[in-house]
Amino acid sequence: KAGVTQTPRYLIKTRGQQVTLSCSPISGHRSVSWYQQTPGQGLQFLFEYFSETQRNKGNFPGRFSGRQFSNSRSEMNVSTLELGDSALYLCASSVPGQIETQYFGPGTRLLVL
Amino acid sequence: GENVEQHPSTLSVQEGDSAVIKCTYSDSASNYFPWYKQELGKGPQLIIDIRSNVGEKKDQRIAVTLNKTAKHFSLHITETQPEDSAVYFCAASKGGGSNYKLTFGKGTLLTVNP
Repeated sequence: KAGVTQTPRYLIKTRGQQVTLSCSPISGHRSVSWYQQTPGQGLQFLFEYFSETQRNKGNFPGRFSGRQFSNSRSEMNVSTLELGDSALYLCASSVPGQIETQYFGPGTRLLVL
Repeated sequence: GENVEQHPSTLSVQEGDSAVIKCTYSDSASNYFPWYKQELGKGPQLIIDIRSNVGEKKDQRIAVTLNKTAKHFSLHITETQPEDSAVYFCAASKGGGSNYKLTFGKGTLLTVNP
């Protein structure tokens, strides 16, 4: 079974731009969570989607948003990029009924210049 | 909200030695505690987890112990090998439900010297 896939793997943007990251969960997984990983703050929860609905959200500004499609694929969007948004963005998926057991993708490395 | 503290931040051991990483959590309602291993350029990989109704769990060279009273849990790696070198993260959550999220520790960089 293929793992969680994320595209693109690397991205360079400039301040003020916006970016969209994509995540395809493991087949059969319907919950998708997003995390931001930085050296200073570590792994921080962004939001979680299930059946196309955002069920939970972390403490990030409204510039960070996401959505989930009917095939469980998810996208996250960051608008008006800031230098501090440079990070590894990780997507994780989980099996229905076992949401706590999360499987991570390789991440998208975003660099904001 | 939940707060997870992880120690040490770096750990260097000789091949064949044991390694222990410790975490404490703040929310007594947390009931699920996974450990992840992250290698350079990769996403975190779930290596072992434990639920609050269990005190210890083993999987070959890896074991996790949980002390609910003291609100701490530990990862034990025996007979370490160079390929065990990575960053290890502990996490805690109140499992399941619509308000679910994992709270992670800051990570431990484990280096196993040949």
